[in-house]
Amino acid sequence: GAVVSQHPSRVICKSGTSVKIECRSLDFQATTMFWYRQFPKKSLMLMATSNEGSKATYEQGVEKDKFLINHASLTLSTLTVTSAHPEDSSFYICSARLSLTDTQYFGPGTRLTVL
Amino acid sequence: GESVGLHLPTLSVQEGDNSIINCAYSNSASDYFIWYKQESGKGPQFIIDIRSNMDKRQGQRVTVLLNKTVKHLSLQIAATQPGDSAVYFCAETRRGGADGLTFGKGTHLIIQP
Repeated sequence: GAVVSQHPSRVICKSGTSVKIECRSLDFQATTMFWYRQFPKKSLMLMATSNEGSKATYEQGVEKDKFLINHASLTLSTLTVTSAHPEDSSFYICSARLSLTDTQYFGPGTRLTVL
Repeated sequence: GESVGLHLPTLSVQEGDNSIINCAYSNSASDYFIWYKQESGKGPQFIIDIRSNMDKRQGQRVTVLLNKTVKHLSLQIAATQPGDSAVYFCAETRRGGADGLTFGKGTHLIIQP
């Protein structure tokens, strides 16, 4: 149980384009999902909190107009990286919070490479 | 700066030995702590958690200890196996887990045959 998927697993795009990443909780409903990014050999950094049916809450230093988050249903949150640049290249990982235990379960991550 | 940190970036142990991975946190408001295991190129995998009203919790081959006095968290893995090789992160949060997680730097556990 508590399985979270992400799609795509890898994406390569040109600078200036937008990329959408999907995060789905497969066997439970999640009113709250979170988005993290991770640079090579570094730890995970929280980017934003995504709440179903309301606006996302962004961490300090994360541009909300650049990283658009939509949480339209209890099983799906999307992160859109707009006008991507090479410095946006990173490993993006989502998590979904299981309300019963408050535990966050993570997706497998999406490797974004911006050329 | 980060709220949670690790004492060692790499820990090498013999297969079959016990491993202890340590973590220090600085936010006294944190009330929920989790250990995750991350293999290369994958998302973090939940191992075990503990709330601030406890000081010890046991799972299958793993034990988490919490010392709130010195803000210290540890993960003990018994009889380590090759499949235990990974990076281990401690994470902390507040409001019982409703907030996002703050991760430590991670410890790379290497199992020697």
